[in-house]
Amino acid sequence: GESVGLHLPTLSVQEGDNSIINCAYSNSASDYFIWYKQESGKGPQFIIDIRSNMDKRQGQRVTVLLNKTVKHLSLQIAATQPGDSAVYFCAEKASGTYKYIFGTGTRLKVLA
Amino acid sequence: NAGVMQNPRHLVRRRGQEARLRCSPMKGHSHVYWYRQLPEEGLKFMVYLQKENIIDESGMPKERFSAEFPKEGPSILRIQQVVRGDSAAYFCASSPVQNQPQHFGDGTRLSIL
Repeated sequence: GESVGLHLPTLSVQEGDNSIINCAYSNSASDYFIWYKQESGKGPQFIIDIRSNMDKRQGQRVTVLLNKTVKHLSLQIAATQPGDSAVYFCAEKASGTYKYIFGTGTRLKVLA
Repeated sequence: NAGVMQNPRHLVRRRGQEARLRCSPMKGHSHVYWYRQLPEEGLKFMVYLQKENIIDESGMPKERFSAEFPKEGPSILRIQQVVRGDSAAYFCASSPVQNQPQHFGDGTRLSIL
């Protein structure tokens, strides 16, 4: 289930189950979104991106959904594996700008 | 194809000293971005540079912090007269053009004694 930790919300899922990580973004002018995965001691790693002219995009085992009406982004991970354990960040960028605004992140814990 | 390289990975400084953080972007990338991350928090934009130019430094404190990306060599983030509050992880990212995803290095963890 989901719980709020000291700073980061944590999502715990059983290995093999699907994970859904949510992100509420702040700027209605944002038109480009990225999901990053950050493992302990490492930099953020690009997972998947989506532009605002789309509402769904699929990668290998991952799907990003965008709902512009409610400014909501989600990352779905199919058949979650132990190697998926990490902190996941969404990042938004408005058209004509270069600044990415990062969300606070969600820690995903995969239970064996 | 090497990724974004940052060094040092860990840097310890005493209050009042200078810290120099280096970032070599991916080959072919001329856009560099610096971010700061506190434990259990997201990344905060600091500065965006292209070769020899600072494009946006709105996220960087006006005093003690500076950044450069010379024609030759890595990008440098410089913090003068460090204070305890400067302790954080500093990440560099690069992209080939502005609207492409940014690729991150593994960061420099700065600790101030």
